[in-house]
Order: sequence, then C-alpha cells, then structure tokens
Amino acid sequence: DTGVSQDPRHKITKRGQNVTFRCDPISEHNRLYWYRQTLGQGPEFLTYFQNEAQLEKSRLLSDRFSAERPKGSFSTLEIQRTEQGDSAMYLCASSLYLDRGYGYTFGSGTRLTVV
Amino acid sequence: AQTVTQSQPEMSVQEAETVTLSCTYDTSESDYYLFWYKQPPSRQMILVIRQEAYKQQNATENRFSVNFQKAAKSFSLKISDSQLGDAAMYFCAYRSAKGGSEKLVFGKGTKLTVNP
Repeated sequence: DTGVSQDPRHKITKRGQNVTFRCDPISEHNRLYWYRQTLGQGPEFLTYFQNEAQLEKSRLLSDRFSAERPKGSFSTLEIQRTEQGDSAMYLCASSLYLDRGYGYTFGSGTRLTVV
Repeated sequence: AQTVTQSQPEMSVQEAETVTLSCTYDTSESDYYLFWYKQPPSRQMILVIRQEAYKQQNATENRFSVNFQKAAKSFSLKISDSQLGDAAMYFCAYRSAKGGSEKLVFGKGTKLTVNP
C-alpha cells in the first residue's frame, strides 16, 4: 500500500473555472476526510465519508463545493466557479473506523492557485 | 466549539538540544484525543504522537514526549536530541471522543528550525 494519494499535486486555474481533485485512500480505510489549509494556518475540516456516505459537512463547504465517494473507495472534491479565496492546499486523509484515537493518514495534498 | 491555540509561530533549536512546543485547547468535553502532527516542507502531514484524555500518563514516542495537563488544558510537545530532520511545521490537534464527531481541530502551527 502506497498510502493516501492525491491528484493532481498542483492546479492553477482561472477564476470562474471548475476544478476537480481526486483522493485515493489507504485501501482498507473506510473513512475519508477532506481538509483545506491556507497559508499560515492549520488545516480546516471540510467533510468526511464513511464508506460512500457523506456523514458530516463543515459550514466552510459552500454550495460551490461538492464531494463524492461513489463506491466507498476513491473520492473527488469539485469546486465550481472558483474564486481567488479558494486558493489553498486541499488535504485528503483516511482512517479505519475502529481506530478512532489513532489520528489519520494524510495525503500530500493538492495545491490550488486561482488566478 | 473546541479551539486549539499554538502561541509560538516559530521556534528554533540547536541540533542535539531539547525544545518544547506549546499547545493549549478549549473544550467542555471530558473525553477526547490530542495529537501532534509534523508537516515537513512540501511533504505530507505525519502523526508524531497522540494522547487519550482519560490517560494520566504522558505519551512518549522515542525522542518525542508530551506534557499533558488536563486541568490546565495544556498539551506541550518535547523533542529531545533534536535532529535536522525534525525541522518542520508542527500542528497540535484535538478530536472529540463523542460518537459522530470526527473532525480534527488544528492549531495554527509552530515552525521549528533546527540549527546545525
């Protein structure tokens, strides 16, 4: 297992365009999380899935954001009509349900720059 | 809502010396988990150490140890025998033990520089 994979590593887009990021968690992990990290800040929770069900969404996740995990494996995060304020590192993490106290395994992130 | 505060934006330490990074948190819950994560430049975040709030004994992982003061809501990280590879951003994080609450709440981080 190669850990949590995120694609792409970097994305530059023009304001108003739509972007989609992909996350492949550790194969046996049934929980998957999305976080956003802006410069100089700690990561902020966006949403999480248990298997294919999206169980919690942050108020940070505006209507322009949508996340899916269609078969309980990989997940996608789409941002529609991007704005400059969306520029950030988008982190994906995964964990195993029974290991609630063991933290997550993070991916390397997708850095989004909106110009 | 829970909050995590890291009051030291930057710290530096000489190689082989010891450094302590501070973290305080605010919560009304009695059962929770605390974590320290390390984020090297342009690399993924890695779990350094974790502490269950119900355990009085401070967690240790090799050169890393914590000083968990539950009443004071303090959770500091001590790095002994600092190495060049310890240079990174360090984030303190809180996670409720309550069912249905899965998010980690992070502090703003402390940038650690290790001087040779």
